[in-house]
Amino acid sequence: NAGVTQTPKFQVLKTGQSMTLQCAQDMNHNSMYWYRQDPGMGLRLIYYSASEGTTDKGEVPNGYNVSRLNKREFSLRLESAAPSQTSVYFCASSETRQGGSGRVQGEQFFGPGTRLTVL
Amino acid sequence: AQSVTQLGSHVSVSEGALVLLRCNYSSSVPPYLFWYVQYPNQGLQLLLKYTSAATLVKGINGFEAEFKKSETSFHLTKPSAHMSDAAEYFCAVRRRNTGFQKLVFGTGTRLLVSP
Repeated sequence: NAGVTQTPKFQVLKTGQSMTLQCAQDMNHNSMYWYRQDPGMGLRLIYYSASEGTTDKGEVPNGYNVSRLNKREFSLRLESAAPSQTSVYFCASSETRQGGSGRVQGEQFFGPGTRLTVL
Repeated sequence: AQSVTQLGSHVSVSEGALVLLRCNYSSSVPPYLFWYVQYPNQGLQLLLKYTSAATLVKGINGFEAEFKKSETSFHLTKPSAHMSDAAEYFCAVRRRNTGFQKLVFGTGTRLLVSP
């Protein structure tokens, strides 16, 4: 049971290059998330997928796109990388189930992160 | 909008001393509250969470936090610091409303433990 896995662990890009960050979870969770972590700013939500087949913007979506490929996988794409996208990127997942009074969300489990540098 | 404020970007303690990391939330209705820990070069791990069952919440590794509605606080404490506690700690908040609610993180507090 690997939990949440992310590839690659490190990446260096030149301005304007594109790349896709991969994330997979083996906990059969419904919901998945992409965050970026910058010094002094905590974690900020980029995009999330509440359930398979849906994606929504978070706090800082500009310059990114996502794909919920299936229940297990949620990828983040940078179409034209910029130095401002230098950051550590974390993927997370959580169980979200239907309770009596609406959706009940469980704890978020995080991957180990991808450290991205854009030159 | 929901938010949390963590006072102090860095906290230094000696091994064996009390650890106190502060978190205040802004919300008219008591939200769900969480503390996460991040060890160097790793992802975040849940330490504990408040969901309303009890105001004093015990977590892993000897940490606990007390929800105080009158102070809108959820401070994290540990009676005796250990060298292995050196890490970054994040407080986070989520609305109690039905429907999908996002987790909002504070800016983090780095705990330094000296021998």
